[in-house]
Amino acid sequence: DAGVIQSPRHEVTEMGQEVTLRCKPISGHNSLFWYRQTMMRGLELLIYFNNNVPIDDSGMPEDRFSAKMPNASFSTLKIQPSEPRDSAVYFCASSPQVTGANVLTFGAGSRLTVL
Amino acid sequence: KQEVTQIPAALSVPEGENLVLNCSFTDSAIYNLQWFRQDPGKGLTSLLLIQSSQREQTSGRLNASLDKSSGRSTLYIAASQPGDSATYLCAVSLTSGTYKYIFGTGTRLKVLA
Repeated sequence: DAGVIQSPRHEVTEMGQEVTLRCKPISGHNSLFWYRQTMMRGLELLIYFNNNVPIDDSGMPEDRFSAKMPNASFSTLKIQPSEPRDSAVYFCASSPQVTGANVLTFGAGSRLTVL
Repeated sequence: KQEVTQIPAALSVPEGENLVLNCSFTDSAIYNLQWFRQDPGKGLTSLLLIQSSQREQTSGRLNASLDKSSGRSTLYIAASQPGDSATYLCAVSLTSGTYKYIFGTGTRLKVLA
């Protein structure tokens, strides 16, 4: 398995532009997570899905952020409009829903810079 | 609200030294705990997962222990090497059914040759 695949790896955009980050989880993993990492706040959970259904989006900072999982092999995180304070590394992770074995596997991350 | 803390925030040791990284959590009702390694500019790599019913897990030179009642976990690294230099994060999974992980702030380790 190629692991969790994220794209783009790097994105530089101007304030006000729409940003879409993409994630392909590991095949067979039922849970998918979006995290954001910054120096100031560390790793923050934004939203997670079980079986393609959003379960907890309490970490989504505001209405400018949205996430979808149309099928078991694809998810997007969208920011519209983007702001400089959104600059961070965004990680996608997936895990199986297996009792006692829900090892979390991360993608390489998408580094977002909003100018 | 579950909070996860890691001490120290940074650590520098000479090669060959045995070391212990600490992780504490405020709510003992966890499902499991996972230790990760993150190299600069990279994603997180899972090192060890300890289920709530277990006391420890071992992988090579790494040993992780868990004391749920006191809200603590330790990661022991034996005979440290320069290649062990990275940031180490612990994360706790909340009670069964949510599969949601809360992360600590990490310990940045540097092993000097």
